[in-house]
Amino acid sequence: GAGVSQSPRYKVAKRGQDVALRCDPISGHVSLFWYQQALGQGPEFLTYFQNEAQLDKSGLPSDRFFAERPEGSVSTLKIQRTQQEDSAVYLCASSLESVLAKNIQYFGAGTRLSVL
Amino acid sequence: GDSVTQMEGPVTLSEEAFLTINCTYTATGYPSLFWYVQYPGEGLQLLLKATKADDKGSNKGFEATYRKETTSFHLEKGSVQVSDSAVYFCALIISNFGNEKLTFGTGTRLTIIP
Repeated sequence: GAGVSQSPRYKVAKRGQDVALRCDPISGHVSLFWYQQALGQGPEFLTYFQNEAQLDKSGLPSDRFFAERPEGSVSTLKIQRTQQEDSAVYLCASSLESVLAKNIQYFGAGTRLSVL
Repeated sequence: GDSVTQMEGPVTLSEEAFLTINCTYTATGYPSLFWYVQYPGEGLQLLLKATKADDKGSNKGFEATYRKETTSFHLEKGSVQVSDSAVYFCALIISNFGNEKLTFGTGTRLTIIP
């Protein structure tokens, strides 16, 4: 597609359920990032992939959060045993590794997760 | 750690007014600086950027100058339009062996009244 695609756009989960959020980056983009945006706040970094390698997961808030990108394209963010504090918008961004395009991240519209 | 402090909102202006949204940063290295905009119902979009001191980023009538001496990157526009109503985020990147994660401010909601 032309941009970063995320699905679902909205997800309602009962506390304790597992959820999986999908991100389709722009074709050919090497780098992929996940961010968490709480209501009224700026996005906060969760994790970073370069191709299929997860090079930084320092932002994941607990071991209930897990991300993968097995073929270096589509990525999935999984949250196990969801808690109310997990309610937020989850943003995915991708970027093309080149000198000219360096540092520009393109964002998807996000998945709004509500945990009841 | 690295951080971005943004002017708190919300900000409400009349059409054609002058806009300034303040942004200052704290960083251990030499960051690249960005302004992203989030229109209602849409994803974050890059508005402008600057990668070194004294660089000026500009786009759609918006400007921001990278001021190393004051660690600032204030966003300005001379005459705002209703279509500029959105949430604006100041952000930085410290390049760290390819992991160019963005550090964002809390955002400033801008509303332009006709």
